[in-house]
Amino acid sequence: DTGVSQNPRHKITKRGQNVTFRCDPISEHNRLYWYRQTLGQGPEFLTYFQNEAQLEKSRLLSDRFSAERPKGSFSTLEIQRTEQGDSAMYLCASSLDGAHGTRGYGYTFGSGTRLTVV
Amino acid sequence: AQKVTQAQTEISVVEKEDVTLDCVYETRDTTYYLFWYKQPPSGELVFLIRRNSFDEQNEISGRYSWNFQKSTSSFNFTITASQVVDSAVYFCALSEATGAQKLVFGQGTRLTINP
Repeated sequence: DTGVSQNPRHKITKRGQNVTFRCDPISEHNRLYWYRQTLGQGPEFLTYFQNEAQLEKSRLLSDRFSAERPKGSFSTLEIQRTEQGDSAMYLCASSLDGAHGTRGYGYTFGSGTRLTVV
Repeated sequence: AQKVTQAQTEISVVEKEDVTLDCVYETRDTTYYLFWYKQPPSGELVFLIRRNSFDEQNEISGRYSWNFQKSTSSFNFTITASQVVDSAVYFCALSEATGAQKLVFGQGTRLTINP
């Protein structure tokens, strides 16, 4: 078990370009979450998958954002036509049983992908 | 809607001092979970504690202790005899007990322990 892996760690892109991030959760975890953290703020929920089904999306997730989790394994988060306001740390978390998991402590976070839009 | 407030944006103390980080939450749920996470400069969120809404017992883990009071909707975190390695940003978070069980985070408290 190597934890939750996110790639790339850093991404610098020009405004208007598309970017894609990848998250590899802990293998047996069925729940996967994406959060966005801007400077000086706490992480904010973006979207949630249970296995391959995307079950909840935040209103923060505009039409330019899309997330997938094919086959219930890794997940990708794509941002189209990036804007400077998209600059943030994008965090992925996985979980087996959610908040009240009896095996482990709920959620395991990755180290995040820091996006800078110039 | 759920909300978490950490009123202290930054705290700076000298090593070996005790320090308390405040957390106040709002929720209409009767069953919920509260968490504390530590975020060092590397960016990864490190789990510290989870508490469910039915368990108001205070908890101590080494130099760390947590005081959960439903009457005041608070879940405060105290570090006793602080050390430089405790320097980090600390987040309090709230989760619903059903559905997505997503975390709602506070704004975080940046704690600096000076030698």
